[in-house]
Formats: sequence, C-alpha cells, structure tokens
Amino acid sequence: EADIYQTPRYLVIGTGKKITLECSQTMGHDKMYWYQQDPGMELHLIHYSYGVNSTEKGDLSSESTVSRIRTEHFPLTLESARPSHTSQYLCASSEFGDGETQYFGPGTRLLVL
Amino acid sequence: AQSVTQLGSHVSVSEGALVLLRCNYSSSVPPYLFWYVQYPNQGLQLLLKYTTGATLVKGINGFEAEFKKSETSFHLTKPSAHMSDAAEYFCAVSDRIQGAQKLVFGQGTRLTINP
Repeated sequence: EADIYQTPRYLVIGTGKKITLECSQTMGHDKMYWYQQDPGMELHLIHYSYGVNSTEKGDLSSESTVSRIRTEHFPLTLESARPSHTSQYLCASSEFGDGETQYFGPGTRLLVL
Repeated sequence: AQSVTQLGSHVSVSEGALVLLRCNYSSSVPPYLFWYVQYPNQGLQLLLKYTTGATLVKGINGFEAEFKKSETSFHLTKPSAHMSDAAEYFCAVSDRIQGAQKLVFGQGTRLTINP
C-alpha cells in the first residue's frame, strides 16, 4: 500500500495569492511527480524530480514551481494564483525499477476565485 | 514517443455484465503497461500492471488485462460488473522521453454501472 500524502485536500483562494501544495511520501522513493488533471479527466505531467535537488519541467507548461530539498517532500508553489490555475493537482512517486510503477496521493482540488 | 488510446470516453454496462475497457498503445518494443482506477475526489489507484512474463495479468477487485503484442493492446476486463466499479479508468504506458522514464496516460474512460 502506497503512503503518499497531499495537503490540503481542498483549497479555495482569491486571485493573486501565493499558495503551496504539499506532497510527502514515506516510501523512500527517489522519483516524484506532479500532475494537473482537468475536469475532463486527462492527466498532464507538469513537474518531476529524480532525487534531492533535481527538478524538471513536465510536458505541460505550468507557472508553478517545485523544490526537492528532502527525499520525502516535493511541494508545489504558485506565486500568484489565477482562475486558470483552478484544477486538481495529483502528486505521485516511484522508485527506480519496479516497472516504473507510480503511486498517487489523494490529490488537491484547487479553486481560484 | 509513446501514445495511448482508450477507445470510448464513456462506457456503460449493467450490473452483472461483462466490463471491457479498451486500450491501445504505440510501441515498437514491449513496454510496461498499467491500468489505474480513480474514484471521485481521490487519486489514482493501481489496478494491475504488465512488465514481463505472463501476458494475462490479474489485478485487484476482480479485474484482469491481457497484453497482446501483435495488436498493441492491453484491454481491461471484469466478468461481472458491480456497482462499486463505477469510476474513471486510465491506461498508461511507460516511455523514455528525452532521457527520462515517464508514464504516458490515456485520456481515461468513465465507467457507469446501471442497476
């Protein structure tokens, strides 16, 4: 069973606010990922990390930034939230090998007014 | 780069009927293949995966999928649908993109179970 946590689960915030979405995993996985999921269900990779001090942009351009200072922690930050950032954000982790199986957190549903 | 196509964005079956969710991928080499399920307001949960070996893979909740290399398919089936199977289902394939190993997801299929 995967142990990956995301907080908050739901967030309603006004335009222009800075927000940080938290993601933590207790499995010791080196790889971590952030996905943005549209209401139409499709997942888009926006950031990933292969280990401490490693961050890369994903396939979908995003105004968010990430950091990886500790193996277990991979927060995502929006400096100035806009209504276009309204979406669900899913965090995942995986270890090298294991068929690249990714384990997902419960998600954060963000609404920017 | 790999691509994944899930045929049918919405599938509706009656309770007790066969569930068949279709997934095709584009690959010239045997990939790693996955099915995930997503219940409302939750993240994705791994149903099953194919890496190597037996082409018929059994997963949780009575689901199974068969890897058919000749058809580049990895369809998901369950003999008898239950109301609790109503959810979104995602097929995914691993791919190496710009030196990085990633999962490429299909667009998802919403499964509805009719009583």
